[in-house]
Amino acid sequence: QVQLVQSGAEVRKPGASVKVSCKASGYTFTTYAMHWVRQAPGQRLEWMGWINAGNGDTKFSQKFQGRVTITRDTSASTAYMELSSLRSEDTAVYYCARDGCTSCYYMDVWGKGTTVTVSS
Amino acid sequence: SYELTQPPSVSVSPGQTASITCSGEKLENKYVCWYQQKPGQSPVLLIYQDTKRPSGIPERFSGSNSGNTATLTISGTQAMDEADYYCQAWDSSLVFGGGTKLTVL
Repeated sequence: QVQLVQSGAEVRKPGASVKVSCKASGYTFTTYAMHWVRQAPGQRLEWMGWINAGNGDTKFSQKFQGRVTITRDTSASTAYMELSSLRSEDTAVYYCARDGCTSCYYMDVWGKGTTVTVSS
Repeated sequence: SYELTQPPSVSVSPGQTASITCSGEKLENKYVCWYQQKPGQSPVLLIYQDTKRPSGIPERFSGSNSGNTATLTISGTQAMDEADYYCQAWDSSLVFGGGTKLTVL
């Protein structure tokens, strides 16, 4: 079955970076795009950006432009999200989610989330 | 930037119909989808492209989109439907609504 398995929880100090992985299985990785969405405690879902897993094209929310990097390793069917210059407000659950196609703009499969805690 | 507005909370009695709205400028010109999120869980896609249901989603969930408002309708609401619901659309960037907490009482 289609599955997205994310890396484990992370704790970082302010100013540091974090890289979260998302390993896909059960489908052809390069046929779909992958989104990254985060949710701070008690807050709404917040889109960060996506990557076309086929050609590597990326697009980011203006809010995170310059601070987020999304990459993929097609040989490992894995997508990565790296967020730099962390601050306490970045404490959140980070989800990867598969797009319905390469540009359908909805997310049909979600990972279980990775908790990132930013604290001094 | 584009904004989607949802009511913070909606209450419904078991067996009744719940309607959750999502408002945005000229929203009918965009595809809207809906997600359900239960506490401590990942979101689940309920409706995509305004009205389509993924396989495995019960028929009691339906969607519509007209004018400036999209609506998620839950017919015959069950206790298990108590959750947060988010609308989402694309407008040069992907946007989520603020979420609606559905209480079944």
